[in-house]
Amino acid sequence: GQQLNQSPQSMFIQEGEDVSMNCTSSSIFNTWLWYKQDPGEGPVLLIALYKAGELTSNGRLTAQFGITRKDSFLNISASIPSDVGIYFCAGPASGGSYIPTFGRGTSLIVSSV
Amino acid sequence: NAGVTQTPKFQVLKTGQSMTLQCAQDMNHNSMYWYRQDPGMGLRLIYYSASEGTTDKGEVPNGYNVSRLNKREFSLRLESAAPSQTSVYFCASSEMGLGQFFGPGTRLTVL
Repeated sequence: GQQLNQSPQSMFIQEGEDVSMNCTSSSIFNTWLWYKQDPGEGPVLLIALYKAGELTSNGRLTAQFGITRKDSFLNISASIPSDVGIYFCAGPASGGSYIPTFGRGTSLIVSSV
Repeated sequence: NAGVTQTPKFQVLKTGQSMTLQCAQDMNHNSMYWYRQDPGMGLRLIYYSASEGTTDKGEVPNGYNVSRLNKREFSLRLESAAPSQTSVYFCASSEMGLGQFFGPGTRLTVL
């Protein structure tokens, strides 16, 4: 099956800093999804991208669907302590499958100033 | 509107015991899924059901069975639990091609 490489694996930042993480695939994707998982909870969908080059924002979060359709990026601006959690990228590869594959996640820790 | 609910929230089993994890959704979604989450491994698909009456294997189906009881409910059964099945199990639902809604998870320990 397709491989999803998510980086970085973990990040430790200070409140107020901006955060960038990305996801690359060995296959072309027709949808990119970004989820956040709070400790002890299930993942929650943050942003969905459906078109190459698409740039979508949700509050302080911005995600982009890469032009090559093999990558996607998530940025968080002015981080706050409640941004702590694990961020997953996911997406179904093209070719008819709609079943998402998940990356291994980026663990984000935000320390208060 | 409860979304996706899962029972139980926690379970401890002995090796060889059986149990069924229950999942229900009230969003009228056609597709439902079972994942397991292990540290550093992300979410791995065990089984899914594209629509009522159909089920298919995912990435890691061995040792599990599923039943799509009706449109709302999708259960996961461990017939003979093994320590390797210690994990957090998530149920999810969606409409085809759209993002999934996840339940709160079942934390299973097999001794």
